[in-house]
Amino acid sequence: DQQVKQNSPSLSVQEGRISILNCDYTNSMFDYFLWYKKYPAEGPTFLISISSIKDKNEDGRFTVFLNKSAKHLSLHIVPSQPGDSAVYFCAARSSIQGAQKLVFGQGTRLTINP
Amino acid sequence: KAGVTQTPRYLIKTRGQQVTLSCSPISGHRSVSWYQQTPGQGLQFLFEYFSETQRNKGNFPGRFSGRQFSNSRSEMNVSTLELGDSALYLCASSLVYGRSTDTQYFGPGTRLTVL
Repeated sequence: DQQVKQNSPSLSVQEGRISILNCDYTNSMFDYFLWYKKYPAEGPTFLISISSIKDKNEDGRFTVFLNKSAKHLSLHIVPSQPGDSAVYFCAARSSIQGAQKLVFGQGTRLTINP
Repeated sequence: KAGVTQTPRYLIKTRGQQVTLSCSPISGHRSVSWYQQTPGQGLQFLFEYFSETQRNKGNFPGRFSGRQFSNSRSEMNVSTLELGDSALYLCASSLVYGRSTDTQYFGPGTRLTVL
């Protein structure tokens, strides 16, 4: 039972363009969502998060959108840079079901082409 | 401020042995959680600790255990190692426990290889 899904295993984007990474979830109890970036053999690096009471959160080049009715969130990176090439994980948490327990998607490998 | 540190970074063990991994959270952080990353299963929650008490446990066998000390440092132990325990073990820390908007920050991980 995969509660968080990232249906695109990989994404290739031209440098300078927008990268859009998508994530779907099934558990309506999730109330906090995070995006992490990960390089091989390293720990995930926190990028941006959003609470379920919001529908958008921005931080520099990164914007996360949350559509609760569709149980869908997306991460926009504008403009995309070569250093953005990594695996991106969407994660969700329910403060009721397990305060710190993160449920992760399978990840999307983003490649930024020069 | 130093990040989450994990020791050792790499470990090679043989089947049947046991292993202990260590995690030091970010200074001031009191909540620690552990995750296992494998190519087949992705990132999976193992357990979380706050105030030296295990608050939640993932779906792993009893061979996986952990503890937290009064200084918030945490250890996890895997006994009777199996080949399938080969993975990257990640520790994450957060400021408190139970606050819905608290962010977890991850360490670099310990790469465990079981031969």
